[in-house]
Amino acid sequence: GAGVSQSPSNKVTEKGKDVELRCDPISGHTALYWYRQSLGQGLEFLIYFQGNSAPDKSGLPSDRFSAERTGGSVSTLTIQRTQQEDSAVYLCASSGTGGVVDTQYFGPGTRLTVL
Amino acid sequence: AQSVTQLGSHVSVSEGALVLLRCNYSSSVPPYLFWYVQYPNQGLQLLLKYTSAATLVKGINGFEAEFKKSETSFHLTKPSAHMSDAAEYFCAVSGIGSQGNLIFGKGTKLSVKP
Repeated sequence: GAGVSQSPSNKVTEKGKDVELRCDPISGHTALYWYRQSLGQGLEFLIYFQGNSAPDKSGLPSDRFSAERTGGSVSTLTIQRTQQEDSAVYLCASSGTGGVVDTQYFGPGTRLTVL
Repeated sequence: AQSVTQLGSHVSVSEGALVLLRCNYSSSVPPYLFWYVQYPNQGLQLLLKYTSAATLVKGINGFEAEFKKSETSFHLTKPSAHMSDAAEYFCAVSGIGSQGNLIFGKGTKLSVKP
């Protein structure tokens, strides 16, 4: 079946511009995660959605970052007023139930470059 | 707080040799541990996971890992390396109190020489 998809695969933007990154999880998965992968910081958790519950935003690095999940499916990560330190690969993952032992399935990522 | 340490950012082995990638964890509660693999320009794929059912966990592609509480370790091994094993490997922990979000180690890049 279809896996997690993300778009765009690559995004180049200028400092100060806003960007939106999209994630389509596996159909039927209730849990959705965003992670950031950068050379300096490795893989970092950003935000977690579980069904219709309020998201866990504890990993968001600043208030320039926000995310939403519409209809319990597609998610959009928005970065406002991008900075060069936002350059990274943004990975989305989904899992069936979101439990601590549930396997997370990752998308291929969006590579963001801020000039 | 939970954390994971992977010893060795780069490991190089010859084809057919033993693969050993090291992971140590820190957790105040019984941890759930994962190994993921990332091939170039791809997302992460689960190799195996420890969920307290058995200390020796077998995964895909011939990999296995052993949970050792006394050593706080979860090292990944494979008896015989293939060229196709060249990738980056990440150890991660997820524990009680988290929402299932994973805390990753820095990763180990495995090279396989012919």
